[in-house]
Amino acid sequence: EVQLVESGGGLIQPGGSLRLSCAASGFTVSSTYMSWVRQAPGKGLEWVSVLYGGGTTYYADSVKGRFTISRDNSENTLYLQMNNLRVEDTAMYHCVRSYGSGSYRAGDVWGQGTTVTVSS
Amino acid sequence: DIQMTQSPSSLSASVGDRVTITCRASQGISNYLAWYQQKAGKVPKLLIYAASTLQSGVPSRFSGGESGTDFTLTISSLQPEDVGTYYCQKYNTAPWTFGQGTKVEIK
Repeated sequence: EVQLVESGGGLIQPGGSLRLSCAASGFTVSSTYMSWVRQAPGKGLEWVSVLYGGGTTYYADSVKGRFTISRDNSENTLYLQMNNLRVEDTAMYHCVRSYGSGSYRAGDVWGQGTTVTVSS
Repeated sequence: DIQMTQSPSSLSASVGDRVTITCRASQGISNYLAWYQQKAGKVPKLLIYAASTLQSGVPSRFSGGESGTDFTLTISSLQPEDVGTYYCQKYNTAPWTFGQGTKVEIK
């Protein structure tokens, strides 16, 4: 069964750091596009970052320079290192698989998410 | 960056009504457009990808259309279980931006 399970969220003070993990099963993270998407309480979906199978990474302007997406192929796990956290980073963070090539690569598998709360 | 403008922000319709949600891209994105449904307290679910391809298992009352930079999600006959918020997302190039969302309710 194809599955994504996130962990690593929690309560953190502004300026702090967290590393989110997303353990994948049923497929190989290095063979497809993997993203992080977040949703602040009561708000819409916000795309955060993507890691292409070939290793290219992209970030939303709101997190560029503070967040780093990566993967461990041996652990089949996706990560999001979040530094210099701000109150506005408070959200549920989902990892998302986008399988396929070209326009077929929409987000077909979503994890349940892990909650990040940034507050003093 | 390409902006995605989704409308309306909310709608209320009767069971059996035909419902259409629109997403407009500020520049061409070819057919790199997906639609997701999010029910309250649940994870988003992929409905449509490549602008008009129905994801496996999604009811056929859902359909996607494309005309230039305008994209539509149509529910041909609204059902009670379709209540939720719908999002478009473009994914041709980064950033893979989402629309603002459309909340669908039953009248």
